[in-house]
Amino acid sequence: DQQVKQNSPSLSVQEGRISILNCDYTNSMFDYFLWYKKYPAEGPTFLISISSIKDKNEDGRFTVFLNKSAKHLSLHIVPSQPGDSAVYFCAARGSGYALNFGKGTSLLVTP
Amino acid sequence: ETGVTQTPRHLVMGMTNKKSLKCEQHLGHNAMYWYKQSAKKPLELMFVYNFKEQTENNSVPSRFSPECPNSSHLFLHLHTLQPEDSALYLCASSQGPQGGEKLFFGSGTQLSVL
Repeated sequence: DQQVKQNSPSLSVQEGRISILNCDYTNSMFDYFLWYKKYPAEGPTFLISISSIKDKNEDGRFTVFLNKSAKHLSLHIVPSQPGDSAVYFCAARGSGYALNFGKGTSLLVTP
Repeated sequence: ETGVTQTPRHLVMGMTNKKSLKCEQHLGHNAMYWYKQSAKKPLELMFVYNFKEQTENNSVPSRFSPECPNSSHLFLHLHTLQPEDSALYLCASSQGPQGGEKLFFGSGTQLSVL
């Protein structure tokens, strides 16, 4: 059963506007969340993370928000740039060694 | 030079072939992982090695056989695969074995089983 869900397979945003990528999870024991970005023909690269003790973490144009009561997190990219076009994966840590990944959301930023 | 290098980038094999995927990390990390990404599915953890010792086998069929001779190298030996094993196989490393550590991924091997 999938514990991390990214319900939007794709998103298209105009350059300069805000991109909001969403992620929902079902396991209340998850305590650490990460976003990865993947370009075609490359492996995923770490983008930003947040601990469950926080509700917001910001790094430049990227901000991750965590709503534990709703078991929901989101990644905001402001302003969006064409180079941000990629697949974004949400991941969550529970017990053990595995990161639980979502299926990814493909973001297209148009000029 | 990238931190995690995987070879080959692409592999086509028949169901009776034996092949191996190779991964090398240049980051001084202690943990290495194999992940599988099938079309329209999330990344699935296959194996975890910490300090060369296998610490997790995520119910992977025996036709996939990992080998970790040292902390920098990881192999995935393949034999008698099925067409449904066609996927992108990603190697990753991290400083420690805990899942919350940032993972550094290779570019992957795109495997097609005919």
